[in-house]
Amino acid sequence: KAGVTQTPRYLIKTRGQQVTLSCSPISGHRSVSWYQQTPGQGLQFLFEYFSETQRNKGNFPGRFSGRQFSNSRSEMNVSTLELGDSALYLCASSLETGGRNEQFFGPGTRLTVL
Amino acid sequence: DAKTTQPPSMDCAEGRAANLPCNHSTISGNEYVYWYRQIHSQGPQYIIHGLKNNETNEMASLIITEDRKSSTLILPHATLRDTAVYYCIVRPGFYNQGGKLIFGQGTELSVKP
Repeated sequence: KAGVTQTPRYLIKTRGQQVTLSCSPISGHRSVSWYQQTPGQGLQFLFEYFSETQRNKGNFPGRFSGRQFSNSRSEMNVSTLELGDSALYLCASSLETGGRNEQFFGPGTRLTVL
Repeated sequence: DAKTTQPPSMDCAEGRAANLPCNHSTISGNEYVYWYRQIHSQGPQYIIHGLKNNETNEMASLIITEDRKSSTLILPHATLRDTAVYYCIVRPGFYNQGGKLIFGQGTELSVKP
């Protein structure tokens, strides 16, 4: 079974631009979560989508948004990019939502904001 | 969400067992203990999880104390490829509490020849 895939793998943007990242979950998985990893803050939860609905949201500004499609694929969008948004963005999928279900991570998208 | 405490770093000789401790003294009855690891700049890799019983899979064993306030991840025969940051996480089990993982700083395990 194919794992979680994320596109693109690397991205360079400039301040003020916006960016859209894509995540395809493992086949059959209905929950997709997004995380941001930076050297200073570590791994931080952004949001979770399940059955096209946002189930949970981390402590990030409204510039960070996401959505999930009927085939469970998910996208996240960051508007008005800031230098501090440079990070590794990770997507994870699980069969269902809730703590009984292990999350499997993709390789991440490395975003650099200049 | 319950917090976890892990040593920042540990060393282990190749071929020996690596025992990684985690303290989660405020864990509540419905919270699971999860372990992930992250090899430099890759996505975290799921290792194992448990509620109150000890668990074993092809990668590792998870030993949870009877009072559930601490646990130990055991890699039975560590190899150089096990060098990574290991995260111990507790998660609510209920469906309506969502699926977020709260990562701490983890333990940086160095396996040495």
